[in-house]
Amino acid sequence: DARVTQTPRHKVTEMGQEVTMRCQPILGHNTVFWYRQTMMQGLELLAYFRNRAPLDDSGMPKDRFSAEMPDATLATLKIQPSEPRDSAVYFCASGLVIGGTDTQYFGPGTRLTVL
Amino acid sequence: AQSVAQPEDQVKVAEGNPLTVKCTYSVSGNPYLFWYVQYPNRGLQFLLKYITGDNLVKGSYGFEAEFNKSQTSFHLKKPSALVSDSALYFCAVRAPRSNDYKLSFGAGTTVTVRA
Repeated sequence: DARVTQTPRHKVTEMGQEVTMRCQPILGHNTVFWYRQTMMQGLELLAYFRNRAPLDDSGMPKDRFSAEMPDATLATLKIQPSEPRDSAVYFCASGLVIGGTDTQYFGPGTRLTVL
Repeated sequence: AQSVAQPEDQVKVAEGNPLTVKCTYSVSGNPYLFWYVQYPNRGLQFLLKYITGDNLVKGSYGFEAEFNKSQTSFHLKKPSALVSDSALYFCAVRAPRSNDYKLSFGAGTTVTVRA
């Protein structure tokens, strides 16, 4: 049963520290998405990739967030420096484009707490 | 711009009764529509999608959804709800542009099924 995996599942850090979240998309999928979920804002798209190329990162605070796909099996989301307002659950999702569309499959999320 | 509205924050039904979760959308052109479910402390799970064809789409766990173009709606339904269906449900839409795979999610509807 293929799944999207994310590490770590939980992260507690202090303001100003660097945070790196990792995602392993489902093997063979060619789109990868990063979302953030909070009670106040709901589910927000931060960035996404197709065939490892960044297509849209307009939802991401550029001064502190960065998203990369160093290879087809790994996507990373970094926050430097982290702030308390970054506390949220971060989800990665992957999909395979077939017939012009894909279905996104979500990982279990990384729950980030910035103190 | 594309968007989804889920007009009800909460839906409560008794086990065995029909369950309906409402969704309306706004998008240019024919939409791609999705339903996801999120259980506590889990990622979103794909339930079903409408791309084209039959307006009634059947998905996982006995759920189905009906696409209504004239009303721009895509309501999720289950004929007989179970306590285990209690969860947070998200509707999502995207426009069928070839190079844009972003989904716009609704705010979510919390479903409570009482025994």
